[in-house]
Amino acid sequence: GNSVTQMEGPVTLSEEAFLTINCTYTATGYPSLFWYVQYPGEGLQLLLKATKADDKGSNKGFEATYRKETTSFHLEKGSVQVSDSAVYFCALSDRGGGGSNYKLTFGKGTLLTVNP
Amino acid sequence: GEEVAQTPKHLVRGEGQKAKLYCAPIKGHSYVFWYQQVLKNEFKFLISFQNENVFDETGMPKERFSAKCLPNSPCSLEIQATKLEDSAVYFCASSQSGLAGLYEQYFGPGTRLTVT
Repeated sequence: GNSVTQMEGPVTLSEEAFLTINCTYTATGYPSLFWYVQYPGEGLQLLLKATKADDKGSNKGFEATYRKETTSFHLEKGSVQVSDSAVYFCALSDRGGGGSNYKLTFGKGTLLTVNP
Repeated sequence: GEEVAQTPKHLVRGEGQKAKLYCAPIKGHSYVFWYQQVLKNEFKFLISFQNENVFDETGMPKERFSAKCLPNSPCSLEIQATKLEDSAVYFCASSQSGLAGLYEQYFGPGTRLTVT
């Protein structure tokens, strides 16, 4: 079956620090990969995605590259802000084809706190 | 609409009572997914629909949980005889289909169910 492992937090950084949140996956097929963000008291927002090997997803200064050889999709940001404080979830889903169920498989989330 | 809508935002039920949650997917999205988020951020897939048809129900505790997506009505998730362990945030997500499978899933704000 599919599974996602991401670094456990919490992660605490100062404003303008560099962020990396590691994510690795196990999948039976060739999945699509996602990072979702959950701000306090809110639902999940899609942050970025990648659908094939070597694709780089990017949004709001965050980036992640689909690495098939290492089965990884690490999230990075060069300079974090206080407003980036949230829980970040790495996720995957089947891309399609016979037997795909498309459900998202999530990692356990990483709480990021950015201090001024 | 342009967003996934979920009602109610909060729901409190005594143990053994019924709970019913609603979800209106984004207009034009043919897939609806229900997820349960329990303590420590863990997401569990419950069920998905393709239009009004059940697509994947492998995550549903069938003895007490049921769900429907009827034409021209919000989708619903119903829990008969709630238990304390049903306390969680229930998220609905919708997605549209494409030639290569599904696009990304967009999440609603969630319904927080508290069973006392």
